[in-house]
Amino acid sequence: KQEVTQIPAALSVPEGENLVLNCSFTDSAIYNLQWFRQDPGKGLTSLLLIQSSQREQTSGRLNASLDKSSGRSTLYIAASQPGDSATYLCVPSSGGSNYKLTFGKGTLLTVNP
Amino acid sequence: KAGVTQTPRYLIKTRGQQVTLSCSPISGHRSVSWYQQTPGQGLQFLFEYFSETQRNKGNFPGRFSGRQFSNSRSEMNVSTLELGDSALYLCASSFSGAPETQYFGPGTRLLVL
Repeated sequence: KQEVTQIPAALSVPEGENLVLNCSFTDSAIYNLQWFRQDPGKGLTSLLLIQSSQREQTSGRLNASLDKSSGRSTLYIAASQPGDSATYLCVPSSGGSNYKLTFGKGTLLTVNP
Repeated sequence: KAGVTQTPRYLIKTRGQQVTLSCSPISGHRSVSWYQQTPGQGLQFLFEYFSETQRNKGNFPGRFSGRQFSNSRSEMNVSTLELGDSALYLCASSFSGAPETQYFGPGTRLLVL
């Protein structure tokens, strides 16, 4: 059974800092891994999707890396802004032919102006 | 293109009642998945429907059920509500299901008193 751990659980940084969110997962037989953000009381927004054959994916100030063999992924946010404040979720897709998403508990990020 | 919509957005029920939640996927998407999010358990997968058939199911009791219509709209039903069913219920759609990028709706906040 896939389990996902995200560290730290919460992070507070001043505006402008670069930061790294960490994710580990127990079953390395994943098809892909997605990073989502969730604003309080709202749905999830997909940020990046990394295929299992890829090492990293970039979108604007966001860069996600994947080390499938060791069961780790990181999300790097450059030059953080107050609008980046949200919960970030790491979500691997696994399960053989019947893929399921497994969600971590997330990292609550607060960027202070 | 319109996003995923969920109705109602907020709902208050009492123990023992039943409730039906609705999800309209993005036009052209045939897969709809349902998730329950609580502070204690995080996001948990309920079930997935594809072309009117339940294709995947999580570990929830039979009180939780769903269906999908020919236009891909989906409903989920919870019978005999319990206090622990209070949660944010999210649906997500995609063209053919995981492991594709999932597009989430804003959720329905259910409070059981």
